[in-house]
Amino acid sequence: TQLLEQSPQFLSIQEGENLTVYCNSSSVFSSLQWYRQEPGEGPVLLVTVVTGGEVKKLKRLTFQFGDARKDSSLHITAAQPGDTGLYLCAGAQGAQKLVFGQGTRLTINP
Amino acid sequence: SAVISQKPSRDICQRGTSLTIQCQVDSQVTMMFWYRQQPGQSLTLIATANQGSEATYESGFVIDKFPISRPNLTFSTLTVSNMSPEDSSIYLCSALRAGNTIYFGEGSWLTVV
Repeated sequence: TQLLEQSPQFLSIQEGENLTVYCNSSSVFSSLQWYRQEPGEGPVLLVTVVTGGEVKKLKRLTFQFGDARKDSSLHITAAQPGDTGLYLCAGAQGAQKLVFGQGTRLTINP
Repeated sequence: SAVISQKPSRDICQRGTSLTIQCQVDSQVTMMFWYRQQPGQSLTLIATANQGSEATYESGFVIDKFPISRPNLTFSTLTVSNMSPEDSSIYLCSALRAGNTIYFGEGSWLTVV
């Protein structure tokens, strides 16, 4: 049973379009982190959200943590080819162990 | 952010042998973790590396297969023992830093032939 359900698992869209990636769970997390991983590299932290209902913006990326701290979303506006990569959500439980979603493999076509 | 260095970055190993991966963090951290990422998959936690004591392993991972050391607050090693092709993966070291944020190294890409 996957603790964190991430969707969609694959997404291919045209440059300039908007997209949203979802991360859902029945469990409550103390915090939730979003990472992006490019081929041949380790995951790079994008953002950490801690408070229920929190919204954080990073240029064209908007991250939201659900009110109950069980779900999160990542919205990208006007996607660019440089946004291509594997996006991973990860929920923190207990002693900061991270539980990862399956990942969303995003491809932005020029 | 944190600088986390892993060695080797990439290796090809013969089945039946063992390989030790080193992880060095640029400053003292309270917690270090080891993850595995199999081809095309997400990350799975192997264990929490405890400073000065035995690592805490997750279900499905055992010390005999993945012995871990953490002699101080900036360094840890993971050994993959008696390797088989199924152990071909990316092995990632991570560290907990201020703000309860976990950062990752660039990974060690292991291929067992």
